[in-house]
Amino acid sequence: EVKLLESGGGLVQPGGSMRLSCAASGFTFTDFYMYWIRQPAGKAPEWLGFIRNKANGYTTEYNPSVKGRFTISRDNTQNMLYLQMNTLRAEDTATYYCATKLTYWGQGVMVTVSS
Amino acid sequence: DIQMTQSPSFLSASVGDRVTINCKASQNINKYLNWYQQKLGEAPKLLIYNTNNLQTGIPSRFSGSGSGTDYTLTISSLQPEDVATYFCLQHSSRPLTFGSGTKLEIK
Repeated sequence: EVKLLESGGGLVQPGGSMRLSCAASGFTFTDFYMYWIRQPAGKAPEWLGFIRNKANGYTTEYNPSVKGRFTISRDNTQNMLYLQMNTLRAEDTATYYCATKLTYWGQGVMVTVSS
Repeated sequence: DIQMTQSPSFLSASVGDRVTINCKASQNINKYLNWYQQKLGEAPKLLIYNTNNLQTGIPSRFSGSGSGTDYTLTISSLQPEDVATYFCLQHSSRPLTFGSGTKLEIK
């Protein structure tokens, strides 16, 4: 059974940084692209980016809306996915999900950017 | 960026009704269109992938169709457990983009 479990959310001040983690299990982690998607309360989801699988060199792609501030990485020895978020703004407040195959999503973790 | 225009935003229907939700892309997305169901407080759940492929475990009352720029999710006979918000997602080109959502309630 595919399981994705995000952690690391919480309250952060504007201009601050935060790193989210996603623990993956139940599938061969290195075979799949991994995604980060966020959803502000009451709004549609927004794709943030993905990191490719082993066959595609673990390269990354980002939504221009966060490119340069957010970085996606993975630890294939631990089956972990990460999202490093810098220079956070109030509009980054959302629930953040990791996902794979655009099929399986974690339960999400809330990030609130506020002073 | 490809814009996804989803309609209607809100839908109220009776149990047993046939329900359709639409997504229109700003350009051809070559059937790279997924549909998700999101119940209150939960993560989105994949219903349909690549326009018309039913995800494993999803009831057959859900179906998808479309091509080019126009796509439809159909629920053939609405059930009480279908109360949720539905989103489309195009994954034809980056950035991937979602529709704005359709909130479905039982009349």
